[in-house]
Amino acid sequence: GQNIDQPTEMTATEGAIVQINCTYQTSGFNGLFWYQQHAGEAPTFLSYNVLDGLEEKGRFSSFLSRSKGYSYLLLKELQMKDSASYLCAVSLDRGSTLGRLYFGRGTQLTVWP
Amino acid sequence: EAGVVQSPRYKIIEKKQPVAFWCNPISGHNTLYWYRQNLGQGPELLIRYENEEAVDDSQLPKDRFSAERLKGVDSTLKIQPAELGDSAVYLCASSLDWGTRRPNEQFFGPGTRLTVL
Repeated sequence: GQNIDQPTEMTATEGAIVQINCTYQTSGFNGLFWYQQHAGEAPTFLSYNVLDGLEEKGRFSSFLSRSKGYSYLLLKELQMKDSASYLCAVSLDRGSTLGRLYFGRGTQLTVWP
Repeated sequence: EAGVVQSPRYKIIEKKQPVAFWCNPISGHNTLYWYRQNLGQGPELLIRYENEEAVDDSQLPKDRFSAERLKGVDSTLKIQPAELGDSAVYLCASSLDWGTRRPNEQFFGPGTRLTVL
């Protein structure tokens, strides 16, 4: 089976920096996604990594190490509106599961004033 | 541009009753996905369509679940009969094209929250 692991909950204060980790063990790999999901709303795309290294996009950055099966999402200058669940998802590249996304449980981030 | 539209947003039914969910993807998106998201979990793929063809339905419980995507646009997901364990949020997503080299960004709808009593 596929295993994607991320912390269940994290808290931080406004203006701070938080790093959400994701480790994965999957039968194949064709990229890793991060999605943001506010309570009762649809997941929205944040980032995609397929090569090792850091991808920066405004206040959000995402890092990938394929050899370690590890990724993190870095959120800078936290705002109250960043309180949400952050989902790590791996895309597979083999056979009938080609392109299928496997999601982690999500990390519920709470930002305090 | 309109996003992925789903209806209804909420549905409460008694067990053994049938239920159907409807999805209208973003215009021009060939690929459509149905996911189930249980409380405190990430979405789990049920079925993926390329135009009107179901190309990945291995995780769809076919004894009670069915789906269709007539004319390759709108899609419906049906459960008959519903069981208590089917209570979840059912998400629909679409993407412009599904490539073998790079998976495409999926755009999600707001979901249908199903409660089975």
